[in-house]
Amino acid sequence: SQQGEEDPQALSIQEGENATMNCSYKTSINNLQWYRQNSGRGLVHLILIRSNEREKHSGRLRVTLDTSKKSSSLLITASRAADTASYFCATDVPAAGNKLTFGGGTRVLVKP
Amino acid sequence: DAGITQSPRHKVTETGTPVTLRCHQTENHRYMYWYRQDPGHGLRLIHYSYGVKDTDKGEVSDGYSVSRSKTEDFLLTLESATSSQTSVYFCAISESGREGGEQFFGPGTRLTVL
Repeated sequence: SQQGEEDPQALSIQEGENATMNCSYKTSINNLQWYRQNSGRGLVHLILIRSNEREKHSGRLRVTLDTSKKSSSLLITASRAADTASYFCATDVPAAGNKLTFGGGTRVLVKP
Repeated sequence: DAGITQSPRHKVTETGTPVTLRCHQTENHRYMYWYRQDPGHGLRLIHYSYGVKDTDKGEVSDGYSVSRSKTEDFLLTLESATSSQTSVYFCAISESGREGGEQFFGPGTRLTVL
């Protein structure tokens, strides 16, 4: 089973609305990362949040981390059609040797 | 794509044939990774390298081997391709040390095994 699992699996919103997706994981982590993948392309790193951080912002992105619940959320504010993509969380686990474990992703469709 | 190229970008082959995918980086990053991406499974790590000639297995390494003779090149070989290895393969690189940092991904190779 996967270390990180995203919820929902798919999300459809109108341009200008906010999009929220969640990631749950099973074991202790060093950090948790979010990536975006446009159709047919490689993944692009969005943001990294360390286990001792609770919230982090980058432009229109806001990430929270709750280590007690082993969960994270990614909020995209004021979404644009260009935000249409799949979003993946990835966890870095202690003693895993610099390896990430990815969740199954959330597909986000932003309708103009 | 952060100085990472993958070749070929598309390949169709037949069951039982050997296949080698190449990942080339110009960033001089220490760590290199091979993932496969399949519907419903996200990305799964096949093998990774933490230096020249230093490699280790990932989550789904059966049927795959790797080699890294130079910092810039990481090769993934399917010794005898099977239909279950039809997938999109991504290479990634990272410069991070003890604690995992961001990874930079190549454009992917779409492999079809008939």
